[in-house]
Amino acid sequence: EPEVTQTPSHQVTQMGQEVILRCVPISNHLYFYWYRQILGQKVEFLVSFYNNEISEKSEIFDDQFSVERPDGSNFTLKIRSTKLEDSAMYFCASKRGTTETQYFGPGTRLLVL
Amino acid sequence: GIQVEQSPPDLILQEGANSTLRCNFSDSVNNLQWFHQNPWGQLINLFYIPSGTKQNGRLSATTVATERYSLLYISSSQTTDSGVYFCAVKEVRRGGADGLTFGKGTHLIIQP
Repeated sequence: EPEVTQTPSHQVTQMGQEVILRCVPISNHLYFYWYRQILGQKVEFLVSFYNNEISEKSEIFDDQFSVERPDGSNFTLKIRSTKLEDSAMYFCASKRGTTETQYFGPGTRLLVL
Repeated sequence: GIQVEQSPPDLILQEGANSTLRCNFSDSVNNLQWFHQNPWGQLINLFYIPSGTKQNGRLSATTVATERYSLLYISSSQTTDSGVYFCAVKEVRRGGADGLTFGKGTHLIIQP
């Protein structure tokens, strides 16, 4: 069964550094998402991406975040200058159609020191 | 935005017991999903159920959209059912590409 994949599984970085989290959505899916989950808290929506542009973003998704689909398979989340409070699990998700299931990747656990 | 309330927040059961988890939401939805977050942090899809009833083995779910709630039933619990169960929804009034709003989850512990 096709899966959403994410790399790396874990990343440790210093405050102020840039990080890029990578995702490969399911191949015939059209809608792509990033979510985050701070340890012990609920999952929070960051951004959705459709037709090569952002379709919705939350208040969390400020100017330090950006997303890109550089080719036909990858979907990336960039954090320009990481802060301690960016430490979280970041999930990528994708779906095929508007009223269909969102499938989540295994997550990237980011630790900012 | 929409409010998603899950109950109970914590549940401890013996292996073999049955359980019912509830998700209430404050607006009309056209997307509702149940997830199981395992101890490694992975979010496992259980059901896509904006309305109606579905069953998958020992798990079943019912969403009553007109009354704005969904129930997840787990029968004959096993220790591997332990983890956090999340309900996530998307309101009808938002666009089809928009993200899900998650509840805070129910933390289920199944004791042997």
